[in-house]
Amino acid sequence: SYELIQPPSVAVSPGQTASIPCSGDKLEYRYVCWYQQKQGQSPVLVMSRDSERPSGIPERFSGSNSGNTATLTISETQAEDEADYFCQAWDRSVVFGGGTKLTVL
Amino acid sequence: QVQLQESGPGLVKPSETLSLTCTVSGGSISSDYWNWIRQPAGKGLEWLGRIYNSGLTTYNPSLKSRVTMSIDTSKHQFSLKVNSVTAADTGVYFCARGRPTGDSGVLFDYWGQGTLVAVSS
Repeated sequence: SYELIQPPSVAVSPGQTASIPCSGDKLEYRYVCWYQQKQGQSPVLVMSRDSERPSGIPERFSGSNSGNTATLTISETQAEDEADYFCQAWDRSVVFGGGTKLTVL
Repeated sequence: QVQLQESGPGLVKPSETLSLTCTVSGGSISSDYWNWIRQPAGKGLEWLGRIYNSGLTTYNPSLKSRVTMSIDTSKHQFSLKVNSVTAADTGVYFCARGRPTGDSGVLFDYWGQGTLVAVSS
């Protein structure tokens, strides 16, 4: 079955850029979505179709997908961005990555 | 603004059937895909399946034999049943609206708050 691999954790200093990778076989041929989940809350869609930012999501969030890796990038990271981030794609079924905990130090 | 709300028992005994309902408000249930996703405590997300307004379903192959979904458009509700539950089915269950991404895939743009279901005797 298809797998999406994410690092368990990423740390970033406030104001710096955070990059969260998501790896999968030939991932560039699939659309990737990203969800942000804060402690005790429901996931929120922060990026769709690789790089489309939904209404209401800050411009500092951006996405890309090339080769075997999709990346969610958060520029000028703020304390409020600290959360778990999950990537998601489709391969005859919905597939989620294991999630990455973003810590803003 | 579309809103989804899960409801159902918070405790289910092993080997019995877990049953949840999701009520949709602020939008039409007669379009888009309606999904169930669960999350064991401290772990990642697992998609259980989806149902369209016609009743057409697609289930996660890993759970297909135990999962059943239904929809009642007149009540703006869709439902989930998971039979023969074990402790591994314990977790937070979310309902979510799905929209096609254009590559046979789907994105989830509205989520319920989630409901915790524990499987225990």
